Formats: sequence, C-alpha cells, structure tokens
Amino acid sequence: SAVISQKPSRDICQRGTSLTIQCQVDSQVTMMFWYRQQPGQSLTLIATANQGSEATYESGFVIDKFPISRPNLTFSTLTVSNMSPEDSSIYLCSVVKIQETQYFGPGTRLLVL
Amino acid sequence: GEDVEQSLFLSVREGDSSVINCTYTDSSSTYLYWYKQEPGAGLQLLTYIFSNMDMKQDQRLTVLLNKKDKHLSLRIADTQTGDSAIYFCAESMRGYQKVTFGIGTKLQVIP
Repeated sequence: SAVISQKPSRDICQRGTSLTIQCQVDSQVTMMFWYRQQPGQSLTLIATANQGSEATYESGFVIDKFPISRPNLTFSTLTVSNMSPEDSSIYLCSVVKIQETQYFGPGTRLLVL
Repeated sequence: GEDVEQSLFLSVREGDSSVINCTYTDSSSTYLYWYKQEPGAGLQLLTYIFSNMDMKQDQRLTVLLNKKDKHLSLRIADTQTGDSAIYFCAESMRGYQKVTFGIGTKLQVIP
C-alpha cells in the first residue's frame, strides 16, 4: 500500500481566489490522479498527473481551471483557479504503485463562499 | 460508456448481515472494488476482486461477482455500528487506470 497525505485538509475560500492542494506519497508511485467529490455525489476523475509533462484531463475539465503539477514520483499539486461556490467539493488524490490498485488520500474539503 | 449503479441506502440491525449490491455495464472491467467512506473521512479501499474470480473472502467481508450479469455484491457479516459509512462500488479496466465509481450506498447500522 501507500501512505498519502494531502494539504490542506480543509479550507474556506472566497470566490475569485485560487487554492493549491498538495499530495505527498511516502514512496515512488507510477500513477497519480486527482478526483473531485461534490456534495452528496460520487467521485469524478479530473485528470491524470503525469510526471514531467502536462496532465491528461477528463472531459469537462480544463488546464486553465485545474492546473496540475507533478515534478517527481512522490508529489503532485492541484490548483483550483478562480473559484466559485460550485467548486465546493472534496478533492482527492489517488496513487498506483506497480501492479497494485489505487489508493486514495484523505481528501481536501473545500468550501467556497 | 462506463456506468456503475448501486442503491442509495441500506439499514440493518447490529449483528445482522449486510448485503450491498452493485451493477456495472463495462464488460471489459478487470478490477472491481469496494471502498468505504466514513463521515468526514477519506476513501478506504476495503477489498477488490478480479473479473476472473467468483468470490473473495476477507474476514467479515465476502465479495461475490456474477460476471455474466455484471453484478457485484459486498456482504458484511455480523455488522457493527462502526460499519456505518458510505460504500462505493467501483471498476477499472486495469489497476493503474481511471476508476469509475457508483453513487455510493449509505449503510446505517441500528444498535
């Protein structure tokens, strides 16, 4: 398995501002993903964080709104830009190690006022 | 496209067995998962099963897979109040690929 930490664990932000969420893993992983869980909803994949190159975004998500970085095999950031109340969600990173399944971080609870 | 469906709510008495059901549409799904999310907490991988298996047992948890009907179930024996949570059924083609989640079943355990 993998030990995953996310910072911040929660935040309350004003509309129009941006928040960067960090995901740190205790060991090298092959894949890192970012998911969103809107209130009362299931999880939706935002993008795959690719090490050293641009992230791969799912339909409905764009780089300008959710820029992602992955400078190495253990760390990634997701920025939620120009936030609106509709961005209030739990944001989770997940990781995959070679020949293993996905493990999820504890999530970042975001409330946009 | 991929779709995972599960009921929204299940209520059981403490000590009884709980059975949470799920159906999926993608026949190429290889990994089928059950995740648990407690209130205010992250997502915990409970167990998973490969599509070439019919059953997997892990202590109080039993996963049954009917690949023909694309039906997955999670049975929790001797359900405890600590089992109260939302249980997500999920699938992926490969372990390293995108995971598609169901809406989640909220399990309420009555003392």
